[in-house]
Amino acid sequence: QKEVEQNSGPLSVPEGAIASLNCTYSDRVSQSFFWYRQYSGKSPELIMSIYSNGDKEDGRFTAQLNKASQYVSLLIRDSQPSDSATYLCAVNLRTIGNQFYFGTGTSLTVIP
Amino acid sequence: EAGVVQSPRYKIIEKKQPVAFWCNPISGHNTLYWYRQNLGQGPELLIRYENEEAVDDSQLPKDRFSAERLKGVDSTLKIQPAELGDSAVYLCASSLRGDNEQFFGPGTRLTVL
Repeated sequence: QKEVEQNSGPLSVPEGAIASLNCTYSDRVSQSFFWYRQYSGKSPELIMSIYSNGDKEDGRFTAQLNKASQYVSLLIRDSQPSDSATYLCAVNLRTIGNQFYFGTGTSLTVIP
Repeated sequence: EAGVVQSPRYKIIEKKQPVAFWCNPISGHNTLYWYRQNLGQGPELLIRYENEEAVDDSQLPKDRFSAERLKGVDSTLKIQPAELGDSAVYLCASSLRGDNEQFFGPGTRLTVL
């Protein structure tokens, strides 16, 4: 099992719909979780961080964390074509020297 | 506040040549990371610095890669000699501390011919 796993997609949703992106991780004691957005040819851009179980909302974005299930998700409400990008999940893995591991990313396309 | 600065943005070299990348982190950020990202993959950590100390270089191919962070600010990553498989985007990131949010620079796209 990889340290951080994401469905590579591609995921396509119509404009205005909710996009749901999922990520699982291997380290039960991980404490820090991050979502990044990466446009083609650009570097990753931080969207949200989440540290506690439950939901964290920021505008149209909601991160959800379930440590018992080792699962973190990102919901994008009212999806816009400008949200079309690759979304990377990153986890700080305490049991592997406090390293950050990134998933391979999920490609999202929002269809106008 | 200025972001992470990297140079050059693009580099094309022939195999067996040396190459160096430079990074200036966000002011006040003690932790600096170098990542390599291949097409269709997530960033892979090469080395992490806490101030001037390399605290995690387990993924750095030490036979050809080297890095330094003198005075705990700027950092340089070097490859000597470069191989075809080194073609990738090299990303620098910084954070206030090691378990905190990381902010990325624009990256250097390396092509080895």
